[in-house]
Amino acid sequence: AQSVTQLGSHVSVSEGALVLLRCNYSSSVPPYLFWYVQYPNQGLQLLLKYTSAATLVKGINGFEAEFKKSETSFHLTKPSAHMSDAAEYFCAVSEEGGTSYGKLTFGQGTILTVHP
Amino acid sequence: NAGVTQTPKFQVLKTGQSMTLQCAQDMNHEYMSWYRQDPGMGLRLIHYSVGAGITDQGEVPNGYNVSRSTTEDFPLRLLSAAPSQTSVYFCASSYSRGRSGGRYGYTFGSGTRLTVV
Repeated sequence: AQSVTQLGSHVSVSEGALVLLRCNYSSSVPPYLFWYVQYPNQGLQLLLKYTSAATLVKGINGFEAEFKKSETSFHLTKPSAHMSDAAEYFCAVSEEGGTSYGKLTFGQGTILTVHP
Repeated sequence: NAGVTQTPKFQVLKTGQSMTLQCAQDMNHEYMSWYRQDPGMGLRLIHYSVGAGITDQGEVPNGYNVSRSTTEDFPLRLLSAAPSQTSVYFCASSYSRGRSGGRYGYTFGSGTRLTVV
């Protein structure tokens, strides 16, 4: 069964500092991995996805993530935080095959706060 | 616009009432699924479908029913609402990996905020 762990329910950074949001997954087959962002009282917006192509994935708003199979990780980074990055971020995993067709498993979410 | 449409956006129910949350997609996606979002718990899968006439339970199916008579629609039914079902509900759809090529991913609706009093 697939699972996702996001380390740190709250992360606080200063504007201009590095953003690092951690995600570790468990999957019995090659996974597909996603990062979503959710602004207050809004829906989910896809930041980036890994679907077995390049292991370093670039997304919107300057975010990127690297798939590391040996570490079962898919951490999200951004070199310089902006105030507008304050939101909740979700890591999710999907499998194709077995009993996992078309299902996403989400992490618990990380709330990012950006201080001026 | 193509996408996933959820209705209603907001709903208040009394305990014991029933209702149906609607979800429709116009992208000819095979897969559809329902999630609920609760603070500190991320999104959890309620039910999902891999095609018309085929549904299965997710992580938190109790108190919810689904059916999928067409590719486009995947309604979620609350049979007897309880306060524990107060949540934000999201519907999603996707292609199978083999059909999607580089477009593989999930399209989410804008959500339904449900309060049960």
